[in-house]
Amino acid sequence: DAGITQSPRHKVTETGTPVTLRCHQTENHRYMYWYRQDPGHGLRLIHYSYGVKDTDKGEVSDGYSVSRSKTEDFLLTLESATSSQTSVYFCAISEYRGVGFTEAFFGQGTRLTVV
Amino acid sequence: DQQVKQNSPSLSVQEGRISILNCDYTNSMFDYFLWYKKYPAEGPTFLISISSIKDKNEDGRFTVFLNKSAKHLSLHIVPSQPGDSAVYFCAASALDMRFGAGTRLTVKP
Repeated sequence: DAGITQSPRHKVTETGTPVTLRCHQTENHRYMYWYRQDPGHGLRLIHYSYGVKDTDKGEVSDGYSVSRSKTEDFLLTLESATSSQTSVYFCAISEYRGVGFTEAFFGQGTRLTVV
Repeated sequence: DQQVKQNSPSLSVQEGRISILNCDYTNSMFDYFLWYKKYPAEGPTFLISISSIKDKNEDGRFTVFLNKSAKHLSLHIVPSQPGDSAVYFCAASALDMRFGAGTRLTVKP
């Protein structure tokens, strides 16, 4: 199994509070992603990173920010949590081999509930 | 805008028969396509992939077909087994990786 760890695995937070989710990898992969999974929507890309301090927005980036100060860590922050951000969040990693990306490896997910 | 679409939320097949899962995409910049399998309370796991320069890739019981002109790909599972029951996600990558909404496959004994 790819070395990718998400923390925390479960979190309940109150509306309006900031929340940070952490993704840690030991594979030295350049690309890291944050997705959210919601019924009927599948996996939607929030933000991704293509290197240290290099990040870009995905499909549903509003209300989220990310940071990547080290290759191994990719942080997702909900600046002011809302109930619509209740979801399961997945981190993924991949690499680029010149002819295309490798398959992405996923973490176990973080179930976030905003009350 | 959803660039990767799986229009069938669910599919049910008998054990031993063929399962065909479909996926359409809109972005012609996608150059690599993947299928993932997901069980409840777990992260998705990679199943099979195909580069845009190919039209078929086979791995055991799993075959992925790509029709670039139609912007369509499909996953064939033959023969289907009860253990294949899961949610299957289609994904496409260019600079990032986008996923469809998923298809829940149920294989009945």
